[in-house]
Amino acid sequence: EAGVAQSPRYKIIEKRQSVAFWCNPISGHATLYWYQQILGQGPKLLIQFQNNGVVDDSQLPKDRFSAERLKGVDSTLKIQPAKLEDSAVYLCASSLAPTLNSPLHFGNGTRLTVT
Amino acid sequence: RKEVEQDPGPFNVPEGATVAFNCTYSNSASQSFFWYRQDCRKEPKLLMSVYSSGNEDGRFTAQLNRASQYISLLIRDSKLSDSATYLCVVTHQTGANNLFFGTGTRLTVIP
Repeated sequence: EAGVAQSPRYKIIEKRQSVAFWCNPISGHATLYWYQQILGQGPKLLIQFQNNGVVDDSQLPKDRFSAERLKGVDSTLKIQPAKLEDSAVYLCASSLAPTLNSPLHFGNGTRLTVT
Repeated sequence: RKEVEQDPGPFNVPEGATVAFNCTYSNSASQSFFWYRQDCRKEPKLLMSVYSSGNEDGRFTAQLNRASQYISLLIRDSKLSDSATYLCVVTHQTGANNLFFGTGTRLTVIP
C-alpha cells in the first residue's frame, strides 16, 4: 500500500514568513496527526484529527499554527509568522482508528529551517 | 517532569554484543507502551509493542515494570543494521491515540 505522503521535503524560510505543509494519509485511515520533531528530541504531537474533526490540539501554538482537514482526507499545517524556534521536522502520521491498537504510520516529514 | 525519559546515549557497541535500553514514564495511568525505531533523517517506525508479561521478537525483547514505571528493550547479537535511534513511547489517554515520545536513545553498532 502507498504510505503517508508529505510535501515539500525541505523548506527554508526567513523568520516572520509564512509556510504551509501538506499531508496525504494512507487511504482509508480516518485518524491523522501532525507531530513536530526538534533536533535531538522525540516527536511532539501538535494536532490530531478524526476524519475532519479535531480530537486534540492542546499542544498546538494557536497564535501562529493552524491546521485543517476539510474533507477528512488531505491535511495542511500552516505557520504564520514563523519563528527561529519553529525549525524542526514536521511529521504527518495516520492510523486506521484512534485506538491504542492501531499503529501509526509516519510520512517522511518536512524539514523546516527558519533563518 | 517529562512524560517519558530516556538515556540519550549514544551507545556504541561491537557487532554481536547485547545491549539494553531503559525508559521511565511519569504517569502511573499510562496504558500502552511501544518501542519505535528511527533511522537518521527518516521517520519513526513501530518496532514492537510492550506487554505486561514481556514479549520477544527475534533478537529483541521488551519488558514492562509497572510498579517501577519503566520499560526496557534488549537487543541480542547486535547487527550493523540495528544502528538507529530507539524511541520509547507511552500513552495514557483513553479513546485517543495520543503517544508521548521519549527523546530517543542512539545506538551505533561497530564492525
